[in-house]
Amino acid sequence: GAVVSQHPSRVICKSGTSVKIECRSLDFQATTMFWYRQFPKQSLMLMATSNEGSKATYEQGVEKDKFLINHASLTLSTLTVTSAHPEDSSFYICSARDRGEEKLFFGSGTQLSVL
Amino acid sequence: LAKTTQPISMDSYEGQEVNITCSHNNIATNDYITWYQQFPSQGPRFIIQGYKTKVTNEVASLFIPADRKSSTLSLPRVSLSDTAVYYCLVGDIPAGGYQKVTFGTGTKLQVIP
Repeated sequence: GAVVSQHPSRVICKSGTSVKIECRSLDFQATTMFWYRQFPKQSLMLMATSNEGSKATYEQGVEKDKFLINHASLTLSTLTVTSAHPEDSSFYICSARDRGEEKLFFGSGTQLSVL
Repeated sequence: LAKTTQPISMDSYEGQEVNITCSHNNIATNDYITWYQQFPSQGPRFIIQGYKTKVTNEVASLFIPADRKSSTLSLPRVSLSDTAVYYCLVGDIPAGGYQKVTFGTGTKLQVIP
């Protein structure tokens, strides 16, 4: 089946720095990718929909200037957490849909810890 | 998007069959029902998808009644490694395009030795 690769799996950074998370579809083209955030013992919360070649669509309450999304190619979307603060510490997950399949494939997630 | 309701948690002994039911009263005609499994600190993994009646794969079965307002995920003879959170999603995923999928609360299954 299709594979979505997400890196890094874990990152620890100081408050005020920016962190970039990559999401790649390894063996298929994904015109749309989704970014989620998950706090401990909670469900996944959709943050934004990343569209190749155009601006991302953000969910209500998600700051677009803080969570920068770039989907420059059909196989890569990046999420940059700018000027990260401790409250941004969370588990971030991306997903993508292979048009040949009828399901979403998820990355393995990135645990962000901001000190 | 259809809202889903699942039990928050379930316990089961090893070797038993586990049935997790999901309610989706306002499911639309084009919506499919998809179940995902998530282990701690990992991304969700696809388990099974269906539209109506019964679907079975090597991992689970999915039962969908005629009115499609609910669905039941059946895991045969669970083992400790099946301890995870199970999410029921409803949406027109196969249609592609820019359909977004939102997650409900999920059901935390704890398998007991």
